[in-house]
This record gives sequence, structure tokens and C-alpha cells, in this order.
Amino acid sequence: AQSVSQHNHHVILSEAASLELGCNYSYGGTVNLFWYVQYPGQHLQLLLKYFSGDPLVKGIKGFEAEFIKSKFSFNLRKPSVQWSDTAEYFCAVNPANTGTASKLTFGTGTRLQVTL
Amino acid sequence: GAVVSQHPSRVICKSGTSVKIECRSLDFQATTMFWYRQFPKQSLMLMATSNEGSKATYEQGVEKDKFLINHASLTLSTLTVTSAHPEDSSFYICSARGWNRARETQYFGPGTRLLVL
Repeated sequence: AQSVSQHNHHVILSEAASLELGCNYSYGGTVNLFWYVQYPGQHLQLLLKYFSGDPLVKGIKGFEAEFIKSKFSFNLRKPSVQWSDTAEYFCAVNPANTGTASKLTFGTGTRLQVTL
Repeated sequence: GAVVSQHPSRVICKSGTSVKIECRSLDFQATTMFWYRQFPKQSLMLMATSNEGSKATYEQGVEKDKFLINHASLTLSTLTVTSAHPEDSSFYICSARGWNRARETQYFGPGTRLLVL
């Protein structure tokens, strides 16, 4: 079974600071990788995903993530955060090529607080 | 874009009663629905996976007789928490996977906060 770990539980940054949130996974096969964001009081939204191809994935709102297969990592980055980026961020994986019912496994989430 | 709705958004009930939570995919057909549970400051934990017209598959440790899941149509799945107890208080989130504009994708509902007194 796959597992996901997010080492940063709570991150506080000032506006314009750069962001990197760690995500490591463990699974014996090929995976799809996702980052979701949950703004206060809202539902989960997909930020970006990696299925195959270029390991550097660009998502919405200036976020990107890099898949490093040798490190089993999929860290999320943003060069300059904004106050509106304050939210909870979840990394998730599912086994690749397993069809429609492939389950997502989530990390514990990282709470990002951006101060003015 | 595609939207997944949940009803109710918040429910308070007495211990021993049953609560039904609805999850609807609004403009696409959800061939698979997932039900998650989120405890405070913890990740989403998958409870069960259901495919339209068939029985749900429950994750280890999830009581299927307590958390009844019905996925009777391609746009509706329900989760019924039977004989609820205070320890069932949690945030329940559904997710719908299906084809939207020729792409397979997955969307999450806004969640239902259950408080059992």
C-alpha cells in the first residue's frame, strides 16, 4: 500500500517569501501525484498533478512541483507567496494505470499561514 | 467547471440517531464516488469506494454496517451514519470521479460537518 508524508505541519511566511512544501511517498510501483489546496471554509481543489512526462509540473496560481523519482518526492514550490495563499495543502498519490477506482492516499497536510 | 455538492453542510444530532449525507455530481456522471473522513489536524482518511450500481468497498477498520453507502445513480451517492455516537463526530467529504468534457477527473465536495451530542 502507498503512503504519503508531509514533514511540514505548519509553515508561517511573510508575503513575497518563497515557499517549498515537502512531500515524500512510498510505493513499489508507478504513481500519479497530486497537490490539493483547501482554503479556509472551502472544499479541496486541485492545484496540480503529475502523471508522466516533464517532472516539473506547473499548476494554478503560480504553483509548481517537481517529481524526483530517485527521492520519491514531489515538493510544491512558489517563488513569492501572497496572503491569499493561506490555506491547508495536501499531497496525494495513487497507483498509476489502475483504472477509474484508483484510490488517492493523502498526506497529513501542511497549514500555510502567510502574514502581511 | 464540474461541481460536487454535499447536503447537509452541517448537522447536529443526538446519540443513537442516524444521519444521511448526500453527495451529488452536478454536471458530470460520477462512475466512482469516494467517501473520506477528516479528523481535526489530520489528513483525509478514505472510508470507502463505491461504483455506481454495485456495493461499496470499505477500507480496513471501517464498519460497513455503521457507515452505509449507496450509489444508486451516476450523480448521487449517500452515506448514512447509523446509530451515531459522539466519536463519529467528524468532517465527512465525498469525492466524485468520472468523465467531464472527455477527460477523466476527480472533484471534491465541500464536506459535511457532523456533531453527535
